[in-house]
Amino acid sequence: AQTVTQSQPEMSVQEAETVTLSCTYDTSENNYYLFWYKQPPSRQMILVIRQEAYKQQNATENRFSVNFQKAAKSFSLKISDSQLGDTAMYFCAFMTKTQGGSEKLVFGKGTKLTVNP
Amino acid sequence: NAGVTQTPKFRILKIGQSMTLQCAQDMNHNYMYWYRQDPGMGLKLIYYSVGAGITDKGEVPNGYNVSRSTTEDFPLRLELAAPSQTSVYFCASSYEGLTGHYGYTFGSGTRLTVV
Repeated sequence: AQTVTQSQPEMSVQEAETVTLSCTYDTSENNYYLFWYKQPPSRQMILVIRQEAYKQQNATENRFSVNFQKAAKSFSLKISDSQLGDTAMYFCAFMTKTQGGSEKLVFGKGTKLTVNP
Repeated sequence: NAGVTQTPKFRILKIGQSMTLQCAQDMNHNYMYWYRQDPGMGLKLIYYSVGAGITDKGEVPNGYNVSRSTTEDFPLRLELAAPSQTSVYFCASSYEGLTGHYGYTFGSGTRLTVV
């Protein structure tokens, strides 16, 4: 079964600095998708960034970028110029096939990020 | 464009009661999902649907039922509520296009407490 591991339960960073959140996953598939979701105290799950495994180029969305290492099955999230509004739980997720042929997301346990002023 | 709408946002149930969590999406997505999130954990898949009239079990289906009579709606039914079903429930939807799977969008969640 596919698993997603986030080894950092909690992290903190000073405002305007850079922080990297780690994620590793286990799969035998070759084509798949990886995601980072942000969950602020409002509880809403917000898509931060998406990576397609067949693309070697790392995805970037403004201050958010990933370091995707397919061979190492690693998918870390870098947040540059951290802002107070980045304080949230961050979940790494892997999209895999269900038995019925649909796609489902498998989530890590999350990393609680606190941005300090 | 409302996206994925879940109701209610909060609910307290007594053990043995039943209820239905509503989920509706207006993006014409063919896939819909129900996840639960327990404290300190990621989300786990309860049920999913690949289109109207088609549903299937996820990782943790026991104690729940679903139906998908239309593309837009995917209600989750809890029969005989138990304390173990205390959780936050998320509905999500997505679609599969010609070039891949897109648009995985979540509702704002329902916090359910069973006492």
